[in-house]
Amino acid sequence: NAGVTQTPKFRVLKTGQSMTLLCAQDMNHEYMYWYRQDPGMGLRLIHYSVGEGTTAKGEVPDGYNVSRLKKQNFLLGLESAAPSQTSVYFCASSYRYEQYFGPGTRLTVT
Amino acid sequence: DQQVKQNSPSLSVQEGRISILNCDYTNSMFDYFLWYKKYPAEGPTFLISISSIKDKNEDGRFTVFLNKSAKHLSLHIVPSQPGDSAVYFCAATGDTDKLIFGTGTRLQVFP
Repeated sequence: NAGVTQTPKFRVLKTGQSMTLLCAQDMNHEYMYWYRQDPGMGLRLIHYSVGEGTTAKGEVPDGYNVSRLKKQNFLLGLESAAPSQTSVYFCASSYRYEQYFGPGTRLTVT
Repeated sequence: DQQVKQNSPSLSVQEGRISILNCDYTNSMFDYFLWYKKYPAEGPTFLISISSIKDKNEDGRFTVFLNKSAKHLSLHIVPSQPGDSAVYFCAATGDTDKLIFGTGTRLQVFP
């Protein structure tokens, strides 16, 4: 039982490049979330999903897209990376209120 | 507009003493509150929660108190241990879809 896993752990992008972050959970949770954590800002919700095939915008969705084609996977895409997207990205899943987080992806955009 | 506030960015406590971490919220629709603990280079882990129908919830060394009239909750850790050194986030929700997180308090427990 791996819980929530994230791929990759680290990535450096140049401005304008694209990439996809993968989140996988093996707890059969309906809800999945993508957050970013920046110094002094706490955890801010980017996008979330309440079930397979659904997505919704969170607090800071601009510049990101998501897809939930399978219940266990939630993908976060950056189509044209910007330095402002340098951050640590966390994925989470939940059955009810308590969310379970992955280990994070540290992304640097130069 | 920050709906969940942790006004103390850091707290330093001696081992064996009590640690008190505070959190304030503004949205009266919030009815469930959680505390998460985060070590460096790891994801946050769930610590303890409380429903708005209660004013206290206890789990071992950790107790959360909720004061609805003041829109304030606090996490007490007794006794504090060096392994408790981490960043603590409070979070709140008014539905099952989303959590609103505070900015975190870094707790350091020294010998």
